[in-house]
Amino acid sequence: GQSLEQPSEVTAVEGAIVQINCTYQTSGFYGLSWYQQHDGGAPTFLSYNGLDGLEETGRFSSFLSRSDSYGYLLLQELQMKDSASYFCAVRRGNTPLVFGKGTRLSVIA
Amino acid sequence: DAGVIQSPRHEVTEMGQEVTLRCKPISGHNSLFWYRQTMMRGLELLIYFNNNVPIDDSGMPEDRFSAKMPNASFSTLKIQPSEPRDSAVYFCASSPQGSSGNTIYFGEGSWLTVV
Repeated sequence: GQSLEQPSEVTAVEGAIVQINCTYQTSGFYGLSWYQQHDGGAPTFLSYNGLDGLEETGRFSSFLSRSDSYGYLLLQELQMKDSASYFCAVRRGNTPLVFGKGTRLSVIA
Repeated sequence: DAGVIQSPRHEVTEMGQEVTLRCKPISGHNSLFWYRQTMMRGLELLIYFNNNVPIDDSGMPEDRFSAKMPNASFSTLKIQPSEPRDSAVYFCASSPQGSSGNTIYFGEGSWLTVV
């Protein structure tokens, strides 16, 4: 089986930086994805790490350490519109993504 | 381009009634997934299809749930009979890269309430 752990809630101030961690236990690990979901909306793809290291896309970065079974999503210059739920998801071979339970980020003024 | 299209967006039904949720994947995508989202259990995979063929339905909770994909542009998820514990958001998603793709595209979801 597989399991993913991420904090249930995080609060951060507008303009600040926030890091959302994800640890996983799974066999046949290929990579880690991150999805964003606003209230009432659909999950949308943010980033993917197949190799160790940092991937940067604008204000968002994602990191993976395969040896530590650990990754994180880093959001910089937080904006109010970043308030949403963020899900990590593992890719295992030829099987569909398995999602964590999500971290609800609240950005406050 | 149109995204994944789901209908109905919202449905309220009485316990015991049949519910049919519909999905049109993105054209050209060869994999389709049905997920269910609840506060308690998060996003759970119910079933997925590759090239219209069901590959793994181990996530389907009970025999009351069934899914079909008669062609590449249409899928249904049926619950018969429905129960209050089936209340959830049901997402359909598709991927151009098969079930091993890194990116899947979700529809806006069908919000089901069973009373």
